[in-house]
Amino acid sequence: KAGVTQTPRYLIKTRGQQVTLSCSPISGHRSVSWYQQTPGQGLQFLFEYFSETQRNKGNFPGRFSGRQFSNSRSEMNVSTLELGDSALYLCASSLYGGAGRYGYTFGSGTRLTVV
Amino acid sequence: ILNVEQSPQSLHVQEGDSTNFTCSFPSSNFYALHWYRWETAKSPEALFVMTLNGDEKKKGRISATLNTKEGYSYLYIKGSQPEDSATYLCAFGGSQGNLIFGKGTKLSVKP
Repeated sequence: KAGVTQTPRYLIKTRGQQVTLSCSPISGHRSVSWYQQTPGQGLQFLFEYFSETQRNKGNFPGRFSGRQFSNSRSEMNVSTLELGDSALYLCASSLYGGAGRYGYTFGSGTRLTVV
Repeated sequence: ILNVEQSPQSLHVQEGDSTNFTCSFPSSNFYALHWYRWETAKSPEALFVMTLNGDEKKKGRISATLNTKEGYSYLYIKGSQPEDSATYLCAFGGSQGNLIFGKGTKLSVKP
């Protein structure tokens, strides 16, 4: 079966711009979680969407937002980009998500560079 | 602030060595503990999901144990091979409702 698809794979943006990243989960999975990874840091939780509703949110500024569509595809948006937003953004698909009694399947990530 | 600690940060072993790493997590409000393998230029790949104290899981040469009362899990690799070279992540799932990841243990296996 198809895995988790993230687009685009690489992105270069200028400070102050906004960006939208996309994640298509495994068919039948209703949960999509987003994580940010920067050098020296573990995966930092951004938010989780389940059945089109944001179920949980990490400690990130309001510039980071997301949404989920009826087909479970999810997008995350970052407005007014800062240099510190340069990172690898991973999404993870899960049947029920949450605290994780079911495994997560990760996409390949989007590498965002802000210049 | 909930913290998940992994040790060591990195490890260099010779092919054929057996090795183990530790993941420490909060001992209260536990739901699940995950282990992932993350090879360079690939996606993190799920190894184990453990939910019960005393759980032991095995997949080939890799196994994991769980102690929820004291808040730790061990990952063991028997007879390491160069293809085992990767970063191994653990993640704690608790009442906060999402997975909290450690920073990982980077394993390098020399032929």
